Amino acid sequence: GAVVSQHPSRVICKSGTSVKIECRSLDFQATTMFWYRQFPKQSLMLMATSNEGSKATYEQGVEKDKFLINHASLTLSTLTVTSAHPEDSSFYICSARQDYRGAAYNEQFFGPGTRLTVL
Amino acid sequence: AQTVTQSQPEMSVQEAETVTLSCTYDTSESDYYLFWYKQPPSRQMILVIRQEAYKQQNATENRFSVNFQKAAKSFSLKISDSQLGDAAMYFCAYGTGSNYQLIWGAGTKLIIKP
Repeated sequence: GAVVSQHPSRVICKSGTSVKIECRSLDFQATTMFWYRQFPKQSLMLMATSNEGSKATYEQGVEKDKFLINHASLTLSTLTVTSAHPEDSSFYICSARQDYRGAAYNEQFFGPGTRLTVL
Repeated sequence: AQTVTQSQPEMSVQEAETVTLSCTYDTSESDYYLFWYKQPPSRQMILVIRQEAYKQQNATENRFSVNFQKAAKSFSLKISDSQLGDAAMYFCAYGTGSNYQLIWGAGTKLIIKP
């Protein structure tokens, strides 16, 4: 199956700093990428959907200026947590999909996640 | 709006036994997909099985099978011959159309007793 990587897998930062998380599709072109946040023992919460070359579409309640998403190429999307605070500590997961026009179904592939801890 | 409900926060089963995880959903669409994902302690999401709503036949992948009841909007996962490696969080998810966003259930933690 297709492989999606995330970097870094773990990051610890001080409050007030910005952190960038990369999501790469290694062996396919990701037309669409999704960013999720997962709190301990909870389900995935969709934060935003990004299409290559377009602005990301954010879910209600997600601060656009706080969580900057850039989908600059068909293999790379980045999530930047700006001026991070302890409440931003969480597990962030990306997923990627190659959309085939006319296809009934396009599978989503998940990255291994990034654990962010803000001190 | 579509919703996915997993009413079992936690289930446990003896190794080698069979366990069924429940999932119900609500939608007004007639064409959609249903998924079961596994999230082991590594946190990597793994697709276990997928069901197309237009297919009457229940999907099967080795020890994993589903009971898809479209009229009842029910989509349960049966794991046969449970193994220690099956211990994980299991999430039921729904998607519609080729450009779907997944709608997730709350998850069920599966514990395998040796």
